[in-house]
Amino acid sequence: KNEVEQSPQNLTAQEGEFITINCSYSVGISALHWLQQHPGGGIVSLFMLSSGKKKHGRLIATINIQEKHSSLHITASHPRDSAVYICAVRVTGNQFYFGTGTSLTVIP
Amino acid sequence: DVKVTQSSRYLVKRTGEKVFLECVQDMDHENMFWYRQDPGLGLRLIYFSYDVKMKEKGDIPEGYSVSREKKERFSLILESASTNQTSMYLCASSGPGRRTGNTIYFGEGSWLTVV
Repeated sequence: KNEVEQSPQNLTAQEGEFITINCSYSVGISALHWLQQHPGGGIVSLFMLSSGKKKHGRLIATINIQEKHSSLHITASHPRDSAVYICAVRVTGNQFYFGTGTSLTVIP
Repeated sequence: DVKVTQSSRYLVKRTGEKVFLECVQDMDHENMFWYRQDPGLGLRLIYFSYDVKMKEKGDIPEGYSVSREKKERFSLILESASTNQTSMYLCASSGPGRRTGNTIYFGEGSWLTVV
C-alpha cells in the first residue's frame, strides 16, 4: 500500500508553462514536505507546510488537510526546474512516508 | 549553512565485501535516517535512529546494520554486499531544531555498485 500518491509520474512542459504536481496521502500527518531532486542525487527541501499555502519565488505549495491533498505549482517554468519532485509526509514521531516522485522536464 | 555529508559519492565493491557508508550532520539533530532509492520504488527506509546508540528498523533492514556512537554520525553497514544492494543510498536528518525546525535534510547520496 502507498501512503502517499503523486501524479503525474512524468511531466514534460514547454518553457513558460504553468505546472501543477499533485500529492494525496492517506495517513494523519504533522507536516507535508515538497522535495526536489536534481540528476546526480542530492535532495533539497522546498517547502514544509501543515496548513494553507506557501510561496517561494515561482514555486507555490498548497495543502488541504481535510481532503488530504497538496499541490506544488511552478509558474513560468524554466529548464532549470527540470528535476524529480517528491512529496513526503511526516506522521507523528520520526516517521516519513514518500511518494515515488514526479519527473519534470521543461523544454526550452 | 546546514549540512548532511555522506562520506562516499561513488563506490564499487565486490560481492561479499563489508561496506561502510558514513553520514555526518552539523545541525544537532536527534533523528537520522538511511534510505535507499531505486527506480520506480522511491525512497525506502532501511534504518533510523532517534538518539545516540538507539536504532529502529525501517521497511527493508535485511542485509544492513547501523551504528550511532555519536549524535552527529550515523553509519550504514552492509555486512556482506550482494548485487541486489546496488543502489543509491541517501542519509537524512531531521529536527526538531532551533535553527532548522522540523525540516528534513538529505545528503548528496552514495551510489553503490556491487559486482
